[in-house]
Amino acid sequence: SQQGEEDPQALSIQEGENATMNCSYKTSINNLQWYRQNSGRGLVHLILIRSNEREKHSGRLRVTLDTSKKSSSLLITASRAADTASYFCATDAEETSGSRLTFGEGTQLTVNP
Amino acid sequence: GAGVSQTPSNKVTEKGKYVELRCDPISGHTALYWYRQSLGQGPEFLIYFQGTGAADDSGLPNDRFFAVRPEGSVSTLKIQRTERGDSAVYLCASGQFYGYTFGSGTRLTVV
Repeated sequence: SQQGEEDPQALSIQEGENATMNCSYKTSINNLQWYRQNSGRGLVHLILIRSNEREKHSGRLRVTLDTSKKSSSLLITASRAADTASYFCATDAEETSGSRLTFGEGTQLTVNP
Repeated sequence: GAGVSQTPSNKVTEKGKYVELRCDPISGHTALYWYRQSLGQGPEFLIYFQGTGAADDSGLPNDRFFAVRPEGSVSTLKIQRTERGDSAVYLCASGQFYGYTFGSGTRLTVV
């Protein structure tokens, strides 16, 4: 298995519902980031949570980090059709600090109007 | 510039040909990264520049791949003797400890 695995691989919900995506990783990290990608092109940075933080909010996004379990979750509240995209977690490992991010394979979220 | 610019947005080339992919990062960003993304996968790290030097090129798959950043701004990813397996979206990003800004990528198709 790979660093930064997302779960589920695909998620389909109705507009207005909440969407939760999970990410697991293997090594010690400096931070964990979530990105969004539309149509397989450029990724957009959503939120960064540092290893000494447990929860962070940004608008309708809530990210949690559990370093003891090496896992993170991204919650999107009150989802909209425009939230339809692929979501990736990415880790900045202590060992390679700042030199790269390791991405998971992503969760494809579909929000039905 | 305001964002990361990548050109061309699409490139179709014949097997065995040489290609160059260009990245123009956000002005003032010293860190620049190249990633490659295959269909249905997450981006995979290729190379990281800090200024003009390649600080970490351990993600380059083989010696057909090379990247330069001669003046510490624009970077060019060069692929020699392209193979069909090189087909992917090549993504460039700049920024570092506060999250990356990605370009829209170059979709490379080797036929």
